[in-house]
Amino acid sequence: QKEVEQNSGPLSVPEGAIASLNCTYSDRGSQSFFWYRQYSGKSPELIMFIYSNGDKEDGRFTAQLNKASQYVSLLIRDSQPSDSATYLCAVGLTGNQFYFGTGTSLTVIP
Amino acid sequence: GAGVSQSPSNKVTEKGKDVELRCDPISGHTALYWYRQSLGQGLEFLIYFQGNSAPDKSGLPSDRFSAERTGGSVSTLTIQRTQQEDSAVYLCASSRSGINTDTQYFGPGTRLTVL
Repeated sequence: QKEVEQNSGPLSVPEGAIASLNCTYSDRGSQSFFWYRQYSGKSPELIMFIYSNGDKEDGRFTAQLNKASQYVSLLIRDSQPSDSATYLCAVGLTGNQFYFGTGTSLTVIP
Repeated sequence: GAGVSQSPSNKVTEKGKDVELRCDPISGHTALYWYRQSLGQGLEFLIYFQGNSAPDKSGLPSDRFSAERTGGSVSTLTIQRTQQEDSAVYLCASSRSGINTDTQYFGPGTRLTVL
């Protein structure tokens, strides 16, 4: 079982819609959760991080964490074509180990 | 510099040769990470440094891979006797303090092609 699982997609949404990206993790000791965006041929860049159960909002982005279900999600409201990228979920464990999922490819259709 | 830098940006080598990849982290960042990303895959953790020490080397794929960091700054990832399966983008990241709640900032990567 992989430490971090993501649906590889591709996920397509029309411009202006809500894109929902999901991630599950296996280690209950996971302490920190990150969403990175990676454009084709570029390096990952941080979108959001979340440490506590519940929702965290930043502009058009909302991260949701449910530790009981070992589930973290990213919602993108009012999706724009510029949001088209691969979204990587990352989990930080004790001992400073980080595990990344394989990413979900998102396409926002104008 | 303002961000993490890596060199070379591209490296083409022949099977069996040794290669060195360099990472220059953000100034003042104590933690440094190396990852490998194969085509269409996620990031595979290789190794991380806290200062000059590498507490966790468990991600290194084989004993052909080694890394060092000197002066708490620049790090070098060395791959000996390269194989075709080593072809990938090697990404370096740094973070301020190295605790697992820190944001990692990634460099542009080195694309390694082993012929």
